[in-house]
Amino acid sequence: DAKTTQPPSMDCAEGRAANLPCNHSTISGNEYVYWYRQIHSQGPQYIIHGLKNNETNEMASLIITEDRKSSTLILPHATLRDTAVYYCIVRSRSSGAQKLVFGQGTRLTINP
Amino acid sequence: GAVVSQHPSRVICKSGTSVKIECRSLDFQATTMFWYRQFPKQSLMLMATSNEGSKATYEQGVEKDKFLINHASLTLSTLTVTSAHPEDSSFYICRAPTGAYEQYFGPGTRLTVT
Repeated sequence: DAKTTQPPSMDCAEGRAANLPCNHSTISGNEYVYWYRQIHSQGPQYIIHGLKNNETNEMASLIITEDRKSSTLILPHATLRDTAVYYCIVRSRSSGAQKLVFGQGTRLTINP
Repeated sequence: GAVVSQHPSRVICKSGTSVKIECRSLDFQATTMFWYRQFPKQSLMLMATSNEGSKATYEQGVEKDKFLINHASLTLSTLTVTSAHPEDSSFYICRAPTGAYEQYFGPGTRLTVT
């Protein structure tokens, strides 16, 4: 699976949009971009995933660049409960039951 | 939605004893489960893949005789930390894929070895 690069930490004001970038320049054609987050002392939680089109669900939006070498996770109205470590992972669709390897992620702090 | 549980959520044991951690998929079957370990302020590190009905496969550097994994049924995998030492103190998390896009993780087990 392709490697990803994320900033180690970010801050955002409560109520504002939080934009978390991820670089995945070696992504291949059959690989999806997944985002998970981990709130302190809990298991990771799935947020969203995409292949090449922008995606939106009740939690977040995912914007993938046209060349698919980078993406941005957007939390439109961040709350204090969104404080967590966010992980961007690239993996192929066929590997549903295969290894899921985590990088260092971005530690997002939402400030009141 | 699919749920994965872990038991216990928190355990404290003395050095030299063994500790068993259970991971259950509550409303789906999982022929494969994964075990991770996480030290403070670090990312999750994959330890091993638990396979129902067969031996687990371990990541490089993980001692299979120390971290015993048993996947006896389609809904239960257990991780036993044998002869635990303080350096084994960590947050242990299991993952159970459902075959869908979402990947369900357990809530984690905090192990403290004194």
